[in-house]
Amino acid sequence: NAGVMQNPRHLVRRRGQEARLRCSPMKGHSHVYWYRQLPEEGLKFMVYLQKENIIDESGMPKERFSAEFPKEGPSILRIQQVVRGDSAAYFCASSPGELTEAFFGQGTRLTVV
Amino acid sequence: GENVEQHPSTLSVQEGDSAVIKCTYSDSASNYFPWYKQELGKRPQLIIDIRSNVGEKKDQRIAVTLNKTAKHFSLHITETQPEDSAVYFCAANTGTASKLTFGTGTRLQVTL
Repeated sequence: NAGVMQNPRHLVRRRGQEARLRCSPMKGHSHVYWYRQLPEEGLKFMVYLQKENIIDESGMPKERFSAEFPKEGPSILRIQQVVRGDSAAYFCASSPGELTEAFFGQGTRLTVV
Repeated sequence: GENVEQHPSTLSVQEGDSAVIKCTYSDSASNYFPWYKQELGKRPQLIIDIRSNVGEKKDQRIAVTLNKTAKHFSLHITETQPEDSAVYFCAANTGTASKLTFGTGTRLQVTL
């Protein structure tokens, strides 16, 4: 059973470009969470999704950021018109249900130049 | 919303000594408290967790205690080893889901 898979591991984007981060949860996991980690800081919750539904997006910036978890395929975190402040590590976690252990992926390190 | 505070931010111990990291939380509805270990450039890895219906849980050299009344929980690592060196994060859930609010982390350095 492969763990949570995220790709790409590293992503470099110029200011104004779009970034797409992908997350495939562990097999049998229907709950996906995205977190952002700035250098030397803790993880900040962004969004919680189940298949085809956004359950809680209270941590998502109001503009430029969106997330989806379609019926087929990975969850996608999309950042439009990236700015330098978007540079961070973005981690995805998945769990089989509510209030269960969440497993993290290796993260995508986004650098905006 | 939930607020989690973690202390200390850095901790240096000698190999073989014990290390204690403390966290407080604000939301009395929180009922799941995991601890994660993160090595440089790697993913957070769950090392132990505790639910609000127990006060203490132990797994070999690692133990966690929870005081619901005071809203604080602690991580205890005994007989520390150099490979324990990492950043440790506490977290508390919000609501019924595994949406977690993390502490700011403790950088543990185990010296020979």
